Amino acid sequence: AQTVTQSQPEMSVQEAETVTLSCTYDTSESDYYLFWYKQPPSRQMILVIRQEAYKQQNATENRFSVNFQKAAKSFSLKISDSQLGDAAMYFCAYYSNYGGSQGNLIFGKGTKLSVKP
Amino acid sequence: DSGVTQTPKHLITATGQRVTLRCSPRSGDLSVYWYQQSLDQGLQFLIQYYNGEERAKGNILERFSAQQFPDLHSELNLSSLELGDSALYFCASNRGDTDTQYFGPGTRLTVL
Repeated sequence: AQTVTQSQPEMSVQEAETVTLSCTYDTSESDYYLFWYKQPPSRQMILVIRQEAYKQQNATENRFSVNFQKAAKSFSLKISDSQLGDAAMYFCAYYSNYGGSQGNLIFGKGTKLSVKP
Repeated sequence: DSGVTQTPKHLITATGQRVTLRCSPRSGDLSVYWYQQSLDQGLQFLIQYYNGEERAKGNILERFSAQQFPDLHSELNLSSLELGDSALYFCASNRGDTDTQYFGPGTRLTVL
Protein backbone atom coordinates (compact mmCIF):
# COMPACT_ATOMS: atom_id res chain seq x y z
CA ALA A 1 0.00 0.00 0.00
CA GLN A 2 1.12 3.51 -0.70
CA THR A 3 2.23 5.60 2.27
CA VAL A 4 3.26 9.21 2.78
CA THR A 5 5.58 10.23 5.60
CA GLN A 6 6.25 13.70 6.94
CA SER A 7 8.96 13.38 9.55
CA GLN A 8 8.81 16.95 10.88
CA PRO A 9 5.72 17.47 13.09
CA GLU A 10 6.65 21.13 13.61
CA MET A 11 8.92 23.67 11.94
CA SER A 12 9.66 27.30 12.57
CA VAL A 13 11.02 30.02 10.27
CA GLN A 14 11.83 33.69 10.59
CA GLU A 15 9.84 36.05 8.42
CA ALA A 16 11.57 36.64 5.03
CA GLU A 17 13.72 33.52 5.47
CA THR A 18 13.53 30.22 3.60
CA VAL A 19 12.24 26.93 4.99
CA THR A 20 12.08 23.42 3.59
CA LEU A 21 9.44 20.86 4.59
CA SER A 22 10.22 17.19 4.01
CA CYS A 23 8.06 14.41 2.61
CA THR A 24 8.83 10.86 1.58
CA TYR A 25 6.48 8.36 0.06
CA ASP A 26 6.36 4.71 -0.83
CA THR A 27 4.82 3.34 -4.00
CA SER A 28 5.44 0.70 -6.63
CA GLU A 29 3.69 2.75 -9.29
CA SER A 30 5.60 4.80 -11.86
CA ASP A 31 2.77 7.14 -12.82
CA TYR A 32 1.47 9.29 -9.99
CA TYR A 33 1.08 12.85 -8.74
CA LEU A 34 2.26 14.58 -5.61
CA PHE A 35 0.79 17.61 -3.90
CA TRP A 36 1.34 19.99 -1.06
CA TYR A 37 -1.79 21.33 0.60
CA LYS A 38 -1.88 24.13 3.15
CA GLN A 39 -4.36 24.18 6.02
CA PRO A 40 -4.44 27.53 7.85
CA PRO A 41 -6.32 28.01 11.15
CA SER A 42 -9.52 28.45 9.11
CA ARG A 43 -9.20 24.69 8.35
CA GLN A 44 -9.67 25.21 4.62
CA MET A 45 -7.51 22.85 2.53
CA ILE A 46 -5.68 24.96 -0.06
CA LEU A 47 -3.67 23.49 -2.91
CA VAL A 48 -0.14 24.90 -2.87
CA ILE A 49 1.67 23.00 -5.59
CA ARG A 50 1.36 19.92 -7.79
CA GLN A 51 4.04 17.67 -9.32
CA GLU A 52 3.58 15.04 -12.01
CA ALA A 53 5.90 12.07 -11.47
CA TYR A 54 6.77 11.70 -15.15
CA LYS A 55 8.04 15.29 -15.30
CA GLN A 56 11.63 15.71 -14.20
CA GLN A 57 11.33 19.46 -13.86
CA ASN A 58 10.50 20.60 -10.35
CA ALA A 59 7.21 22.51 -10.02
CA THR A 60 7.21 26.12 -8.85
CA GLU A 61 4.42 28.48 -7.84
CA ASN A 62 5.67 31.95 -6.95
CA ARG A 63 7.51 31.60 -3.60
CA PHE A 64 6.80 27.86 -3.40
CA SER A 65 8.93 25.26 -5.11
CA VAL A 66 9.54 21.55 -4.75
CA ASN A 67 12.55 19.29 -4.87
CA PHE A 68 11.24 16.07 -6.43
CA GLN A 69 13.63 13.12 -6.26
CA LYS A 70 11.78 10.21 -7.87
CA ALA A 71 14.40 7.53 -7.24
CA ALA A 72 14.64 8.50 -3.59
CA LYS A 73 10.84 8.92 -3.36
CA SER A 74 11.30 12.32 -1.82
CA PHE A 75 9.18 15.42 -2.35
CA SER A 76 10.18 18.45 -0.28
CA LEU A 77 8.55 21.88 -0.30
CA LYS A 78 10.65 25.05 -0.19
CA ILE A 79 9.03 28.29 0.89
CA SER A 80 11.10 31.36 0.07
CA ASP A 81 10.69 34.82 1.61
CA SER A 82 8.38 33.41 4.28
CA GLN A 83 5.41 35.55 5.23
CA LEU A 84 3.23 35.58 8.34
CA GLY A 85 0.37 34.26 6.22
CA ASP A 86 2.37 31.12 5.47
CA ALA A 87 1.84 29.91 9.03
CA ALA A 88 -0.29 26.79 8.69
CA MET A 89 -0.35 23.03 8.68
CA TYR A 90 1.18 21.64 5.49
CA PHE A 91 0.18 18.25 4.14
CA CYS A 92 2.00 16.22 1.55
CA ALA A 93 -0.32 14.03 -0.54
CA TYR A 94 0.01 11.27 -3.14
CA TYR A 95 -2.41 10.38 -5.91
CA SER A 96 -2.42 7.65 -8.53
CA ASN A 97 -4.97 6.24 -10.93
CA TYR A 98 -3.46 2.83 -10.34
CA GLY A 99 -2.94 0.52 -7.44
CA GLY A 100 -4.83 0.30 -4.18
CA SER A 101 -5.21 4.03 -3.77
CA GLN A 102 -6.88 4.50 -7.13
CA GLY A 103 -8.61 7.83 -7.32
CA ASN A 104 -8.06 9.14 -3.83
CA LEU A 105 -5.45 11.21 -2.07
CA ILE A 106 -3.18 9.67 0.54
CA PHE A 107 -1.99 12.24 3.04
CA GLY A 108 0.95 12.50 5.40
CA LYS A 109 0.39 13.47 9.03
CA GLY A 110 1.30 17.09 8.37
CA THR A 111 3.92 19.63 9.42
CA LYS A 112 2.90 22.64 11.48
CA LEU A 113 4.81 25.70 10.27
CA SER A 114 5.19 28.74 12.49
CA VAL A 115 6.48 32.04 11.11
CA LYS A 116 8.21 34.41 13.54
CA PRO A 117 8.05 38.16 12.88
CA ASP B 1 -12.73 30.06 -2.63
CA SER B 2 -12.50 26.61 -4.24
CA GLY B 3 -16.07 26.62 -5.56
CA VAL B 4 -16.97 23.56 -3.47
CA THR B 5 -19.64 24.24 -0.84
CA GLN B 6 -20.46 22.24 2.26
CA THR B 7 -23.29 22.57 4.75
CA PRO B 8 -23.59 22.87 7.63
CA LYS B 9 -20.33 24.43 8.84
CA HIS B 10 -20.75 23.09 12.33
CA LEU B 11 -22.89 20.32 13.75
CA ILE B 12 -23.26 19.34 17.38
CA THR B 13 -25.20 16.22 18.23
CA ALA B 14 -25.45 13.40 20.73
CA THR B 15 -24.27 9.82 20.66
CA GLY B 16 -26.62 7.47 18.87
CA GLN B 17 -27.99 10.15 16.60
CA ARG B 18 -27.93 10.39 12.80
CA VAL B 19 -26.74 13.37 10.75
CA THR B 20 -26.47 14.28 7.08
CA LEU B 21 -23.65 16.35 5.63
CA ARG B 22 -24.13 18.00 2.27
CA CYS B 23 -21.66 18.88 -0.48
CA SER B 24 -22.06 20.73 -3.76
CA PRO B 25 -19.13 20.26 -6.16
CA ARG B 26 -17.60 22.89 -8.39
CA SER B 27 -19.54 23.67 -11.53
CA GLY B 28 -18.75 21.03 -14.14
CA ASP B 29 -17.16 18.57 -11.71
CA LEU B 30 -18.57 15.06 -11.85
CA SER B 31 -16.56 13.46 -9.07
CA VAL B 32 -17.03 13.96 -5.35
CA TYR B 33 -14.74 12.65 -2.62
CA TRP B 34 -15.35 12.53 1.12
CA TYR B 35 -12.51 12.69 3.65
CA GLN B 36 -12.45 12.60 7.44
CA GLN B 37 -9.87 14.56 9.43
CA SER B 38 -9.46 13.56 13.06
CA LEU B 39 -6.66 14.17 15.55
CA ASP B 40 -5.69 10.52 15.89
CA GLN B 41 -6.27 9.28 12.33
CA GLY B 42 -5.25 12.33 10.32
CA LEU B 43 -6.85 12.82 6.90
CA GLN B 44 -8.51 9.67 5.62
CA PHE B 45 -10.35 8.97 2.41
CA LEU B 46 -13.89 7.70 2.94
CA ILE B 47 -15.62 7.33 -0.42
CA GLN B 48 -15.78 8.63 -3.98
CA TYR B 49 -18.70 9.11 -6.34
CA TYR B 50 -18.54 9.80 -10.05
CA ASN B 51 -21.62 11.00 -11.89
CA GLY B 52 -23.95 9.31 -9.43
CA GLU B 53 -22.10 6.02 -9.13
CA GLU B 54 -19.85 4.85 -6.31
CA ARG B 55 -16.33 4.59 -7.70
CA ALA B 56 -14.01 3.91 -4.78
CA LYS B 57 -14.31 3.13 -1.10
CA GLY B 58 -11.80 3.80 1.63
CA ASN B 59 -11.94 3.45 5.40
CA ILE B 60 -15.64 4.12 5.64
CA LEU B 61 -17.53 2.56 8.53
CA GLU B 62 -20.68 0.54 7.89
CA ARG B 63 -22.59 3.13 9.94
CA PHE B 64 -21.69 5.70 7.29
CA SER B 65 -23.16 5.91 3.82
CA ALA B 66 -23.14 8.37 0.97
CA GLN B 67 -24.85 9.09 -2.30
CA GLN B 68 -24.59 11.47 -5.22
CA PHE B 69 -27.76 12.87 -6.71
CA PRO B 70 -28.62 13.68 -10.36
CA ASP B 71 -27.73 17.34 -9.80
CA LEU B 72 -24.31 16.02 -8.66
CA HIS B 73 -24.52 17.20 -5.07
CA SER B 74 -23.58 14.57 -2.53
CA GLU B 75 -24.66 13.68 0.97
CA LEU B 76 -22.75 11.78 3.64
CA ASN B 77 -24.98 10.09 6.20
CA LEU B 78 -23.54 9.20 9.60
CA SER B 79 -25.67 7.10 11.91
CA SER B 80 -25.44 5.62 15.42
CA LEU B 81 -22.91 8.30 16.14
CA GLU B 82 -20.11 7.68 18.62
CA LEU B 83 -17.80 10.10 20.40
CA GLY B 84 -14.98 8.98 18.11
CA ASP B 85 -16.87 10.20 15.06
CA SER B 86 -16.17 13.79 16.10
CA ALA B 87 -14.03 15.16 13.28
CA LEU B 88 -13.80 17.55 10.38
CA TYR B 89 -15.44 16.11 7.27
CA PHE B 90 -14.25 17.40 3.93
CA CYS B 91 -15.76 17.09 0.52
CA ALA B 92 -13.58 17.53 -2.56
CA SER B 93 -14.40 17.51 -6.26
CA ASN B 94 -12.85 17.33 -9.70
CA ARG B 95 -13.88 16.50 -13.26
CA GLY B 96 -13.12 12.86 -12.56
CA ASP B 97 -10.48 12.64 -15.26
CA THR B 98 -7.96 14.83 -13.46
CA ASP B 99 -5.85 14.33 -10.40
CA THR B 100 -6.23 17.65 -8.62
CA GLN B 101 -9.01 17.71 -6.04
CA TYR B 102 -10.52 20.94 -4.79
CA PHE B 103 -11.69 20.96 -1.22
CA GLY B 104 -14.72 22.51 0.41
CA PRO B 105 -14.50 24.36 3.74
CA GLY B 106 -15.47 21.25 5.72
CA THR B 107 -18.15 20.40 8.26
CA ARG B 108 -17.04 20.17 11.87
CA LEU B 109 -18.98 17.44 13.64
CA THR B 110 -18.99 17.27 17.42
CA VAL B 111 -20.61 14.27 19.08
CA LEU B 112 -21.36 14.75 22.79
